[in-house]
Amino acid sequence: DTGVSQNPRHKITKRGQNVTFRCDPISEHNRLYWYRQTLGQGPEFLTYFQNEAQLEKSRLLSDRFSAERPKGSFSTLEIQRTEQGDSAMYLCASSLRQGFSSGANVLTFGAGSRLTVL
Amino acid sequence: QQQVKQSPQSLIVQKGGISIINCAYENTAFDYFPWYQQFPGKGPALLIAIRPDVSEKKEGRFTISFNKSAKQFSLHIMDSQPGDSATYFCAAPNDYKLSFGAGTTVTVRA
Repeated sequence: DTGVSQNPRHKITKRGQNVTFRCDPISEHNRLYWYRQTLGQGPEFLTYFQNEAQLEKSRLLSDRFSAERPKGSFSTLEIQRTEQGDSAMYLCASSLRQGFSSGANVLTFGAGSRLTVL
Repeated sequence: QQQVKQSPQSLIVQKGGISIINCAYENTAFDYFPWYQQFPGKGPALLIAIRPDVSEKKEGRFTISFNKSAKQFSLHIMDSQPGDSATYFCAAPNDYKLSFGAGTTVTVRA
């Protein structure tokens, strides 16, 4: 399967603990996104990488959140000192885009990592 | 920022009927406007997308209608099937990312 892979699929943690999610994008994709989705809502943008550079961070991404994409391949999203409000599905997506004239910026999503903070 | 308003929140349709979901966006954009389909426990999957210089796009039983002047676009699901029961999200381009609507849960009754 050459889709977007996310691990772990489910994580249950106690408030105050740190958690890390990993995303392996489609190998030739240069763009990688993290979104958060809560029950009954659409995905909310968190951050975006082009290759290894983190180009945009949402104000939803507090100081407790950090994302990396070393060498422009896989990415990790770490949440420090988790709070109950962090409980959500964390979605990773990737795309290949070489300019607006080259076609749609089609985001391919992974299955998500569901976080439950007790 | 690009705000996207989607309606209705949910709808129930009989098998063979037509489902219509509407979306409105704020800022003019020159990229594609996609619709995603999501099943429980899965990530959103691209269903169909339309360029803003096209008024309609059809793929099988799914049609997007786009009204650029009104900044609105809609998804029509023709001959709805039980397998179409899912949550549908519209999205609008927002710089290098997508802004999503809140979703519409479609239930198709046999």
